[in-house]
Amino acid sequence: GAGVSQTPSNKVTEKGKYVELRCDPISGHTALYWYRQSLGQGPEFLIYFQGTGAADDSGLPNDRFFAVRPEGSVSTLKIQRTERGDSAVYLCASSFSGTGANVLTFGAGSRLTVL
Amino acid sequence: KQEVTQIPAALSVPEGENLVLNCSFTDSAIYNLQWFRQDPGKGLTSLLLIQSSQREQTSGRLNASLDKSSGRSTLYIAASQPGDSATYLCAVTFDRGSTLGRLYFGRGTQLTVWP
Repeated sequence: GAGVSQTPSNKVTEKGKYVELRCDPISGHTALYWYRQSLGQGPEFLIYFQGTGAADDSGLPNDRFFAVRPEGSVSTLKIQRTERGDSAVYLCASSFSGTGANVLTFGAGSRLTVL
Repeated sequence: KQEVTQIPAALSVPEGENLVLNCSFTDSAIYNLQWFRQDPGKGLTSLLLIQSSQREQTSGRLNASLDKSSGRSTLYIAASQPGDSATYLCAVTFDRGSTLGRLYFGRGTQLTVWP
C-alpha cells in the first residue's frame, strides 16, 4: 500500500487478556519500528526490525511484550496478560533502510484501552 | 541520559502570528533531528529533518534551526493559520550507541491557532 497500515485502529480489552496489534509497512521497506505513546507523552521506542530479525528490542518494557516479523514484511506486536498501564497508542513506522537518513513513515496507530 | 524537552507545552495564538517552538536535548552527539506534526487520532507527519551537519531546513512557512553545541532546535512558523493547529513533536536520533530510527521524542507542543 501507499502508507503504513495498522489494525485494529481501536482495541478495548479487559485486564489479563491477550492482544495482538498488526502493522503492514510500506512495500519494500526493510526496517520496521514499534513505538508506544501514552497520553500526554511523546512516543517511546519499543523494538526495531531489520528484515525478519529484531535488531534492537531494548525498548520492550517487560516480557509480556513480544513482536514478530516472520517474513520481513507484516509485523505483529503481542501483549500478554494486559494491564491497565498498557493503555496507549501503539505506533508502527517503516523506512527503506535502518541506516542513512532514517526517514520514518508512521502509521495512524492502534489505540489500546485496557479496562 | 538522552532526553528531549519541548517548551512550551501548549500555545494558543491568533491567526497570522509568527511563532517559535523550542526543543532542547541533553547530548550534543546527535545524528539528526526531526520535527513532526500530529493531528488527533492520526499518525505522525514528518515536517523537517535536519542532519547533524546542517544548521537549518526550510519548507514553505516552516523553518527549523539546529544548534548542536547548545543542544537546541527551534521550529519557526510564519503567518500561522487555523490549519496549523496540531501537536508538534521534536525527535532526536542520538549518535552514541543508538539504533538509527530509534527516535527520542519530546512531549510535544500543542498549538492552537484561532481565527
